[in-house]
Amino acid sequence: GESVGLHLPTLSVQEGDNSIINCAYSNSASDYFIWYKQESGKGPQFIIDIRSNMDKRQGQRVTVLLNKTVKHLSLQIAATQPGDSAVYFCAETDNQGGKLIFGQGTELSVKP
Amino acid sequence: KAGVTQTPRYLIKTRGQQVTLSCSPISGHRSVSWYQQTPGQGLQFLFEYFSETQRNKGNFPGRFSGRQFSNSRSEMNVSTLELGDSALYLCASSFLTGGLNTEAFFGQGTRLTVV
Repeated sequence: GESVGLHLPTLSVQEGDNSIINCAYSNSASDYFIWYKQESGKGPQFIIDIRSNMDKRQGQRVTVLLNKTVKHLSLQIAATQPGDSAVYFCAETDNQGGKLIFGQGTELSVKP
Repeated sequence: KAGVTQTPRYLIKTRGQQVTLSCSPISGHRSVSWYQQTPGQGLQFLFEYFSETQRNKGNFPGRFSGRQFSNSRSEMNVSTLELGDSALYLCASSFLTGGLNTEAFFGQGTRLTVV
């Protein structure tokens, strides 16, 4: 069945270090991917997206990499800050009726 | 520009009752999706509406229903509530262009507790 899974449920990093959060997806038809950040008591917050015709996209301190060959997605956060502590979700869609399929999430903890 | 607004933020209901949740999307967004978030199941897709039509539906029982109005506001209804329906219900809106989804923005969610 459809699934989007994360390799690491928890990640602890030192402030200032770079963080890498990984995600595997199984639907070959998925052509749009989004990373979300969710803080306690809040809804998911859009971080960055990427379409399947790209393999890399950069934002402010964040980079998303897409490897369609192995169906792998990663989120890189540069110079991680305490405010980056949250649960990160990857999501995929094949543009069929606006349905996003979410991974289980990775909890990022940043130590000062 | 106002974000996605969900009301109410918190709700406590008794088993067997029914509940209606509301979502106002970002101005100009015509696609509204609903998700259920629980610790055990994570984020699960409920349904999506575009121009008042349900385009897609997740694997939830018929007790879960929704609708969208001409101003793109959406409501979801859960009838005959069960304890397992306790969850954070999230609404997301997005702007479709050329038939492609664009980034979906989420509201703060409605925390439903069934007792």
